[in-house]
Amino acid sequence: GAVVSQHPSRVICKSGTSVKIECRSLDFQATTMFWYRQFPKKSLMLMATSNEGSKATYEQGVEKDKFLINHASLTLSTLTVTSAHPEDSSFYICSARERRGPGANVLTFGAGSRLTVL
Amino acid sequence: SQELEQSPQSLIVQEGKNLTINCTSSKTLYGLYWYKQKYGEGLIFLMMLQKGGEEKSHEKITAKLDEKKQQSSLHITASQPSHAGIYLCGAAPYNFNKFYFGSGTKLNVKP
Repeated sequence: GAVVSQHPSRVICKSGTSVKIECRSLDFQATTMFWYRQFPKKSLMLMATSNEGSKATYEQGVEKDKFLINHASLTLSTLTVTSAHPEDSSFYICSARERRGPGANVLTFGAGSRLTVL
Repeated sequence: SQELEQSPQSLIVQEGKNLTINCTSSKTLYGLYWYKQKYGEGLIFLMMLQKGGEEKSHEKITAKLDEKKQQSSLHITASQPSHAGIYLCGAAPYNFNKFYFGSGTKLNVKP
C-alpha cells in the first residue's frame, strides 16, 4: 500500500535554531499534503495545506513565517520551524493525498515527528 | 472550516462490552474517515464512508454514515484491550483542499 515517510521521528534542538521535517510519499505522487500539529491529549490541528509547485495555504492563527512549508516536488513536502522556541515543542504529522479516481481520495499519514525545543 | 464534534470525549469499558462513538459535522459530509491513533504515534486508517446510509465493517468495527450525511457512528462489538486508543473522525470539503479532524475519543478497555 501507499507509504509516507516522515523524518526525523524525533528531534531535540536549542531555542532559536531552525528545524526541518520532511514528508515523502514513497510510491505515489501527492499533489496535496497536509501538515498537522498535535498538542498533548488533543486532536490533530490542521496547520496548512501544501500543494506541489504553489504556496501553502495556512489555517487561521498559524504563523507563516514561523512554519515554512515547501512542496517542491510531487513526492516531497517540508515543514521548517524557524527560530524554534519551547512553545513550538509538539508532535507534528503530515499526510499525503492520493487520488485513486473521481471522488476517491485516500490520505496516508506519516508516523509523525516529535519536536522538543530546549 | 468544517467542524467535527465527537462524543464521548473519553470512554472506559470492560472487555467484551460494545461501544459507540459519534461524529457530527456542521456541514454536509462528502467523505467521512475514521482513524485510530495511539497518542504520539501515526494514524491507522479504519474506514471511509461516502454515501448517505452507507455502512462498512472491518472485523469487530462497524461504521455508518447517516442519510443526511452529517453524522457518523463507529461501533465496536465485544471490545478488546487491543481496541484501546484514540479514535478520530476526519472529513474534507468537496474539493478536498483541506482535511479536518474531530475532537477525538479516547478509549480504554479494561481487561
